[in-house]
Order: sequence, then structure tokens, then C-alpha cells
Amino acid sequence: KQEVTQIPAALSVPEGENLVLNCSFTDSAIYNLQWFRQDPGKGLTSLLLIQSSQREQTSGRLNASLDKSSGRSTLYIAASQPGDSATYLCAVWVKGQNFVFGPGTRLSVLP
Amino acid sequence: SAVISQKPSRDICQRGTSLTIQCQVDSQVTMMFWYRQQPGQSLTLIATANQGSEATYESGFVIDKFPISRPNLTFSTLTVSNMSPEDSSIYLCSVEDGANVLTFGAGSRLTVL
Repeated sequence: KQEVTQIPAALSVPEGENLVLNCSFTDSAIYNLQWFRQDPGKGLTSLLLIQSSQREQTSGRLNASLDKSSGRSTLYIAASQPGDSATYLCAVWVKGQNFVFGPGTRLSVLP
Repeated sequence: SAVISQKPSRDICQRGTSLTIQCQVDSQVTMMFWYRQQPGQSLTLIATANQGSEATYESGFVIDKFPISRPNLTFSTLTVSNMSPEDSSIYLCSVEDGANVLTFGAGSRLTVL
């Protein structure tokens, strides 16, 4: 059964830093991987979707990469801002299991 | 992508009562999902609701506790029955848009006293 982990569990950085969030999955037979942002007590906002045939996707200051063979994805945030403070979750779409979510990385960007 | 309206956004309920959460989508979708997010935890899938058929529940979730309706392609409800404090969570409705992209509602934050 697919398992998804995320490292680190929490991260605190000063404003302006570039940072990397990591997501690992145990079964490489995925359809796609999606990164979400969740603000406290709120729903999830989709940030980036990477299809299984793709290597990376970019949106503004965000860049996500996918290495299916090694079971890894990274979310790169450039020039972090206090407004980026949130929990970031990755999820993989797996045949027969629907979407499987990681536990999330809680990010704090300090002004 | 689809726009999802979920209500209530939050509620405080007494032990032993039931609460129904509504999920309205602005377009017709085949697959709707209900997730639970307990405090400090990630998302756990409760069930998948397809129109015209019984919902499919994940291990650990049963229909008597979490009955789901899916009367048409734009609407679904989740009821949390006979609530206890352990049911205090955020409940999230989501849809798959046909391209394996998940879109979420804003969530319903439930507190059971």
C-alpha cells in the first residue's frame, strides 16, 4: 500500500530565504502528484500538479519536481514571504487507492 | 477548475447529536470524496461518493456512522451521526475534475462537546 512521507515536519525561516520541501512515496506507480497549501483551519488550495510523465512544474515563485523512479518530489519556494506561512501537503494519485496524502510540512516565514 | 461550496463552515455540537454537511459543486462531476482531518493530522479519506450508487467507505469508516447521499452530479451530503468528542475534526469535500486533479471545499470545522 502506498505511503507518503514529508520532510521536514516543520520549518521556520527568515523572510527572503529560498527553501525546499520534500515528499517521498513508496510505490512509483502513480498517475500524478499534487502539492497543496492549507492555512490553519481551512481547506486545501492546489498549488501544482505534476503528471507522472512530467519532471517539473512551475508557478510563480514555486517549482515542483518529480523523480518517479526514486519516489521523490520537491517543492522549491523562492524568496519566501510571511504570506507563505502555511502547511504544505503532497498527495499522489494511485490506481485503486485514489489520492494518498502526506502528513504535511508546517512552514513559518518570519518577517 | 471546479468551485465547491461547503457548509456549515463550522459548528459546535453536543455529544450524541448528528450533523449533516453539504457540498455543492458548480459543475457536474463524477467522483466526490469526503475526507476527515483530525487536529494536527493529515487527511484521511472517509468515502468516495459516485452518483447513482452507494458510497464506497474506507477501512475504519462505516455507513451507520457516516451516511452519505449523492442525489445528483453536483451535490453531496455527509452526516456525522451520534457524535462524540473524538469526531471533532475538519471535514472536507473534494472532487476530481476528470484530469485526476483534486479540488477542495473550504472545509467544515466540527467541535463536539
